[in-house]
This record gives sequence, structure tokens and C-alpha cells, in this order.
Amino acid sequence: DTAVSQTPKYLVTQMGNDKSIKCEQNLGHDTMYWYKQDSKKFLKIMFSYNNKELIINETVPNRFSPKSPDKAHLNLHINSLELGDSAVYFCASSQDLITSYEQYFGPGTRLTVT
Amino acid sequence: DQQVKQNSPSLSVQEGRISILNCDYTNSMFDYFLWYKKYPAEGPTFLISISSIKDKNEDGRFTVFLNKSAKHLSLHIVPSQPGDSAVYFCAAMNYGGATNKLIFGTGTLLAVQP
Repeated sequence: DTAVSQTPKYLVTQMGNDKSIKCEQNLGHDTMYWYKQDSKKFLKIMFSYNNKELIINETVPNRFSPKSPDKAHLNLHINSLELGDSAVYFCASSQDLITSYEQYFGPGTRLTVT
Repeated sequence: DQQVKQNSPSLSVQEGRISILNCDYTNSMFDYFLWYKKYPAEGPTFLISISSIKDKNEDGRFTVFLNKSAKHLSLHIVPSQPGDSAVYFCAAMNYGGATNKLIFGTGTLLAVQP
């Protein structure tokens, strides 16, 4: 009964490949997020969706494309992977935009690009 | 541009003593501040928050203090317990802004020694 789940937990792939990370929340929340934590431990917002509508799109390369098929899912697809994409990617959700200060995070997906 | 800074990467405290974690911010538009706690291999979890209209918020053993003039906040844990050992992230937002985006610091690793 995990609240926010991500798959896979670990992902090792080669440069140039395309990969996806899936996120699901069973909290009934309206808003979902993707964060990237790089090697310097910065946890930075990449995208947020509210009721399947894109709200935040930070200065992320367009190789990254989020997809929200429904309110409970926010997947992240990455094209043409580069070494610098290696990081831990966290999905999160909040009840709505108003309560975005309290976010529930998934366990993270450690992506390693070789 | 690092708008939220946690200058101490780590802190070691004896069980039963007080832990004080510090955070500085630069953006005067921030009006809501939070602390998140993260255990290894897990996502961050919301701990406590404070609005800029207050200077203190307490929840059990955890108290957050805000000094707006100094653009500084701190988290006090009293008494510290071994289970408090984790990475603590400070975060800030411009609540009610267009996106309610959370800006995180780089975290402080707290080790509570038995």
C-alpha cells in the first residue's frame, strides 16, 4: 500500500538510449512532481502537473518529456540519454497546488548512464 | 543561483542533547518554509513548516525558528534520538505564487550518537 511508488528503483543504461521512469500515487492527490537530485545533492524541481495539466516546466532539456495519462500517474520519458543525466529522480505528489508545501515523495530511481 | 543554503553538510550530536540545523535563504519573496527529513534509499518526508507571519512553530520535539530580517531559519530537535539520524532538507517557497514551487537546500546529515 505504498503511497507514491516509482519503477524501476535502479536503471543502468548506455548513452544515447531512451528510457522511461513510471510513477504512481494512490493518495487521490491532484498534483504530481518530478525532481532531480544530482551528485551535489541539489534536489531540483523539473515538472509539476495538476489534474493532468502541466504547471511547472523548469529549464529542462526537451529530451525529457513527462506524460500524465491520469491524475494518479506521472511518467518521465528521457530520450538520447547523456552522462549528465545520471542522478536520482524523485516523483512526488500533493493534495493540490494549495497544499504543495506538503509533498509525498517516492523512494527515487537511481539512473546511471554509462 | 542557490537561493536556499545549508552550509553545514553534517552534524553529530549525542543522544538526549539538542540538535540545531541551520538554513539561510536569499529570496525575499519566500514566505513559507519547510523542513523535510530523508532516510537512505527513501524519498524525503515532510517534517514541519512555518509561515513568514510567525517566528516559531513547534511540533513535539521539533521546533522551527524563523528570523526574517536575517533570512535565516533553524530546526531544533530536543531531545535528539538515534532514530533522528537522517538528512534534513530545508525548503522555501513563494506561497500563493503562480506555481508554488519548492526550492530545496542541499541538506544536512544529522548523526545522533547513542
